[in-house]
Amino acid sequence: QKEVEQNSGPLSVPEGAIASLNCTYSDRVSQSFFWYRQYSGKSPELIMSIYSNGDKEDGRFTAQLNKASQYVSLLIRDSQPSDSATYLCAVKSRDGTSYGKLTFGQGTILTVHP
Amino acid sequence: DVKVTQSSRYLVKRTGEKVFLECVQDMDHENMFWYRQDPGLGLRLIYFSYDVKMKEKGDIPEGYSVSREKKERFSLILESASTNQTSMYLCASREGQETQYFGPGTRLLVL
Repeated sequence: QKEVEQNSGPLSVPEGAIASLNCTYSDRVSQSFFWYRQYSGKSPELIMSIYSNGDKEDGRFTAQLNKASQYVSLLIRDSQPSDSATYLCAVKSRDGTSYGKLTFGQGTILTVHP
Repeated sequence: DVKVTQSSRYLVKRTGEKVFLECVQDMDHENMFWYRQDPGLGLRLIYFSYDVKMKEKGDIPEGYSVSREKKERFSLILESASTNQTSMYLCASREGQETQYFGPGTRLLVL
């Protein structure tokens, strides 16, 4: 079983719709959760981080975390063609160090069509 | 503005060559990381470093080594390049629990 799994893509949504991206993780002691966006040919950039159960909103983006179900999601409201990218879920375990490594999912390709 | 730079965007090498990939960050971060990214496999951690001259193996260290002689610079070395090391290589840096920043990536082709 992969440590971090994302829903298989690609995901295609019409402009203005809600895009829902999902991620599950296997390590129960994971403490920090991140969503990165990666445009084709570019490097990943952080768009959301979430550390406690519940929802966290930032503009059109909402991250949702449920530690009991080991599940984290990203909702993109009013999707725009510029949101078309690969979205990477990343999880950081509580390993007692200040550095701690991130484990990434394989990514979900999102296409927003006009 | 934060910055992580990598020495090359594209690199073509022959099997058996020794390859150096350089990464420099200007944020005075303690932690630096090397990943490779392959289609369907996502980002996989090769090595990381949490201090000068310190290094830790990641998930796929075989065939690679690293060097961190100065805080701002983290080098990835392919001792004897093989075709299965053709990939996109991404460097990243981070301070403690803060945001991890990525460099632009080096696309390496080993013939």
